[in-house]
Amino acid sequence: EPEVTQTPSHQVTQMGQEVILRCVPISNHLYFYWYRQILGQKVEFLVSFYNNEISEKSEIFDDQFSVERPDGSNFTLKIRSTKLEDSAMYFCASTSSTITNEQFFGPGTRLTVL
Amino acid sequence: RKEVEQDPGPFNVPEGATVAFNCTYSNSASQSFFWYRQDCRKEPKLLMSVYSSGNEDGRFTAQLNRASQYISLLIRDSKLSDSATYLCVVSPYSGNTPLVFGKGTRLSVIA
Repeated sequence: EPEVTQTPSHQVTQMGQEVILRCVPISNHLYFYWYRQILGQKVEFLVSFYNNEISEKSEIFDDQFSVERPDGSNFTLKIRSTKLEDSAMYFCASTSSTITNEQFFGPGTRLTVL
Repeated sequence: RKEVEQDPGPFNVPEGATVAFNCTYSNSASQSFFWYRQDCRKEPKLLMSVYSSGNEDGRFTAQLNRASQYISLLIRDSKLSDSATYLCVVSPYSGNTPLVFGKGTRLSVIA
């Protein structure tokens, strides 16, 4: 069964450093998303992406964040200068259908900012 | 104002019990509705979509009441493996839209 994959599974970084989180969405999906979940809190939307551009972004997705689809398979989230409060699980998701909007999530990257 | 609100839980039930989760959503224009399951420190996994007519998948039954902006999930004959957090999720409009998650209700099924 096709699945979303993410790397790395855990990233530890120092405050102020740049990190890039990587995702490979399901191959025939066209709509991609990043969400995050701070420990003990709900899953929150960051950004959606379609046709090589951002469709929508939340208030969390400020100038420190960017997304890119550098090739036909990878979808990346970059945080330019990490803050302590960026520590969270980051989930990538994808869907093939805007009718059902059933989104499938990757296993996540646990980001720890020290 | 919470967009998606769920029973706080936790629910601790014996194996074989029937358990029901409830959820309300604030945006009356919401288009799609889902239950996801999340195991500890894992990703949300789609359990089922929720349709206006109600739908059933094995031991799981989901209901939607648009007038009351209320969604439910019923689990019959609970198994130990059903222990997880159940997330009520809403898609606020049609098309390529972000999902809005509830905080989840934790279920522990006890032998």
